[in-house]
Amino acid sequence: AQKITQTQPGMFVQEKEAVTLDCTYDTSDQSYGLFWYKQPSSGEMIFLIYQGSYDEQNATEGRYSLNFQKARKSANLVISASQLGDSAMYFCAMTPWDSNYQLIWGAGTKLIIKP
Amino acid sequence: SAVISQKPSRDICQRGTSLTIQCQVDSQVTMMFWYRQQPGQSLTLIATANQGSEATYESGFVIDKFPISRPNLTFSTLTVSNMSPEDSSIYLCSTSGGGGYNEQFFGPGTRLTVL
Repeated sequence: AQKITQTQPGMFVQEKEAVTLDCTYDTSDQSYGLFWYKQPSSGEMIFLIYQGSYDEQNATEGRYSLNFQKARKSANLVISASQLGDSAMYFCAMTPWDSNYQLIWGAGTKLIIKP
Repeated sequence: SAVISQKPSRDICQRGTSLTIQCQVDSQVTMMFWYRQQPGQSLTLIATANQGSEATYESGFVIDKFPISRPNLTFSTLTVSNMSPEDSSIYLCSTSGGGGYNEQFFGPGTRLTVL
């Protein structure tokens, strides 16, 4: 069965520190995509970063990077120099090869940045 | 990237009534998705809406309760019928970004409260 696991229901991090949000996935597919989304309290889902299963380099988008370890089936999100505005729910998601772009979602991690 | 708008942004409804949520995309897209996010939970896919064909519903969701229309490549509606307090959720529409494993773009969501 295909599954996304986020083991950290909540995290507190001091402002300006780096934070790593964990995500592991389970799939037997060779081709898949991994995503991270941010959901502030307003409810909108904001795309942060994408990693393809065949991408050899870790994806980066500004302060966001994805630590992709294919053999371990992990796709952790790293936020550098955290800001108060980073406080939100963060969801890891996967789209398998034959899913017609449907996403499998993790349970999410609530990140709170402390001033 | 696609820009998606949803109406209404929020609503408070009485039990037994119905609400239609509109989703408008600023470009033509093949597939649109409707999600439900119950309080404190992750996203659950309700159905995939394809233009020119019936929507494909996920297990646990039926057309009588969540009828969907997809009259063209930029627009879709989701109706939540005969509402009960258990339908109180955020409803989100999304669309795939295009070929390959591009990110999904989400609308701002509709926050529904049923009394």
